[in-house]
Amino acid sequence: DAGVIQSPRHEVTEMGQEVTLRCKPISGHNSLFWYRQTMMRGLELLIYFNNNVPIDDSGMPEDRFSAKMPNASFSTLKIQPSEPRDSAVYFCASSPTRNADTQYFGPGTRLTVL
Amino acid sequence: GEDVEQSLFLSVREGDSSVINCTYTDSSSTYLYWYKQEPGAGLQLLTYIFSNMDMKQDQRLTVLLNKKDKHLSLRIADTQTGDSAIYFCASKIELGGNYQLIWGAGTKLIIKP
Repeated sequence: DAGVIQSPRHEVTEMGQEVTLRCKPISGHNSLFWYRQTMMRGLELLIYFNNNVPIDDSGMPEDRFSAKMPNASFSTLKIQPSEPRDSAVYFCASSPTRNADTQYFGPGTRLTVL
Repeated sequence: GEDVEQSLFLSVREGDSSVINCTYTDSSSTYLYWYKQEPGAGLQLLTYIFSNMDMKQDQRLTVLLNKKDKHLSLRIADTQTGDSAIYFCASKIELGGNYQLIWGAGTKLIIKP
C-alpha cells in the first residue's frame, strides 16, 4: 500500500483565499484524523471521522475551517477565508479500527498564508 | 482536562543511552504510544505499551511504565545520528464512548558527535 496520501505537499496562498487540503487514507482503514502542527502549539487534533462520520470536531479552530469525508477513500479540509495564523503543517492520519489504535500519518501539507 | 507532558529537548552524545520521559494525567489510559517524527515527515509509530505492563523491550528500545506515578519513559540504547527526531508520547483514552489519543508536545532528541 502507498500509505496515507496528502496533496498538495506545499501550498502558498494569500490571505483571504480559500484553501483545500486533500487526503486519501489507507484502504480499509475505518478512522481518519486531521491534525495541525505548529511550533507554538505543537500537534493539535482538529477533527476525526469513524466510517466517514465526523465524531469529534471540537478541535476545529473556528467556522472558517470545515472538513468532509464523502467516502471511505477521500477527505478534505477546507479553510475559507485563510489567514496568516493558519500557516502550519497539516497532517492526515488513518487507523484500521475505530478505537484510536495505531495511526498512520501522511507526509503532511505545509501551508503558508501570506 | 486530560494532559500529556514531555520535555521539549534532550541532548545526548552518540553512543550513549537516551531517556525520554512523559507524564500523563488520565489514570484510565489503556495504551501509551511513542511516535517518532523525522524532519519533514509525518509521525511514525515506534512502539507502544499496554497499561497492564510495566516494561516492553524491542531491540534498542525499552519502554517503562509506572502506572502509579503515571510516568512513561522511552530508552534508546546506543543512540545513533539516525535517532535524531522529535519523539511524541500519546495516551489512549475513552471519551464519550469513543477513543482518542492525547498527545504530548514532543521531545526533540539532539545527538552530539
